[in-house]
Amino acid sequence: DAGVTQSPTHLIKTRGQQVTLRCSPKSGHDTVSWYQQALGQGPQFIFQYYEEEERQRGNFPDRFSGHQFPNYSSELNVNALLLGDSALYLCASSLRTGTQETQYFGPGTRLLVL
Amino acid sequence: GENVEQHPSTLSVQEGDSAVIKCTYSDSASNYFPWYKQELGKRPQLIIDIRSNVGEKKDQRIAVTLNKTAKHFSLHITETQPEDSAVYFCAASNEDYGGSQGNLIFGKGTKLSVKP
Repeated sequence: DAGVTQSPTHLIKTRGQQVTLRCSPKSGHDTVSWYQQALGQGPQFIFQYYEEEERQRGNFPDRFSGHQFPNYSSELNVNALLLGDSALYLCASSLRTGTQETQYFGPGTRLLVL
Repeated sequence: GENVEQHPSTLSVQEGDSAVIKCTYSDSASNYFPWYKQELGKRPQLIIDIRSNVGEKKDQRIAVTLNKTAKHFSLHITETQPEDSAVYFCAASNEDYGGSQGNLIFGKGTKLSVKP
């Protein structure tokens, strides 16, 4: 049973470029959440996808967008990259059972913007 | 919105001692409180969680306590071992909001060092 996987593991971009990060959820999970983790900080919620729609969104600009596919995998897109977008991008998958839900994180994609 | 404060930012203990990490939250609607362990260069791993309908939960050497009135919760690790060394994050969310707990709000982390 595969856990949450993400690709690529590392990425280097320059300011102004666009980037796409990918996430495959844990088998059986239908919800994907994306987080940004700056160095030395806790993860910050970007948004969550469920049934191919954005269900919740954190305090991130519209440059951050996403998508969920019918197989529940997800992409995070960031346009017009800024130096401050350099961070570890984590996705977490979950499945709500009754009133409870637990998020499991992937290994992350480390993005460096030069 | 929710804000989670975590203390201390660093904690150093001798092997075999206990370690306690404390978090406070601001939104009384929060009802789900997980703790994640993140080793250097690795993914956050859930080690224990608690929901607001209980005050304490234990799993072997790890326990979490929750005080809803004071809006704080704590992680307790007993008989610490060198492999417990990592960064620990607390988080809070409202599982009733939007039908999901998705919006986990994390503390800034505690770097725990267990010296042999």
